[in-house]
Amino acid sequence: KAGVTQTPRYLIKTRGQQVTLSCSPISGHRSVSWYQQTPGQGLQFLFEYFSETQRNKGNFPGRFSGRQFSNSRSEMNVSTLELGDSALYLCASSWTAQETQYFGPGTRLLVL
Amino acid sequence: AQSVTQLGSHVSVSEGALVLLRCNYSSSVPPYLFWYVQYPNQGLQLLLKYTTGATLVKGINGFEAEFKKSETSFHLTKPSAHMSDAAEYFCAVRLSSGYSTLTFGKGTMLLVSP
Repeated sequence: KAGVTQTPRYLIKTRGQQVTLSCSPISGHRSVSWYQQTPGQGLQFLFEYFSETQRNKGNFPGRFSGRQFSNSRSEMNVSTLELGDSALYLCASSWTAQETQYFGPGTRLLVL
Repeated sequence: AQSVTQLGSHVSVSEGALVLLRCNYSSSVPPYLFWYVQYPNQGLQLLLKYTTGATLVKGINGFEAEFKKSETSFHLTKPSAHMSDAAEYFCAVRLSSGYSTLTFGKGTMLLVSP
């Protein structure tokens, strides 16, 4: 069974631009969670989707948004990029929100 | 609410030595506990998890962890370190009842010297 896939793997943007990251969960998984990983803050929860509904959101500004499609694939969007948004963005999927999460390889975003 | 503390941002061992990575948690209800490993430029890979039942949990690559409720700990051990174990290790907790997100510790970088 294929694992969680994330595209693109690497991305370079400039301040003020917006970016969309994509995540395809393991087949059958309906819950998708997103995390931001930085050296200073570690792993921080962004949001979690289940059956196209956002179930929970972390403490991030409104510039960070996401959605989930009927096939469980998910996208996250960051508008008006700031230098501090440079990070590894990780997606994780699970059968339900309370089941074990399996992570993708991440998208490394660099904001210049 | 829940939180995780990993003692030591870096741990150095020699190849063949015991690996011990410490994790203490705080949880308002019985927790589910996890250890993940992250190799450079990769995502997180699940090593092992504790949900219910036996408190000594065995995972992949020879790692194991013991849930100690009285000490609120879930330390990760491996009897003999290999060079390939060099990576960053994350302990995580979520509540066993109700809805909660997965909360991670800051991570411990394991360095293995020959």
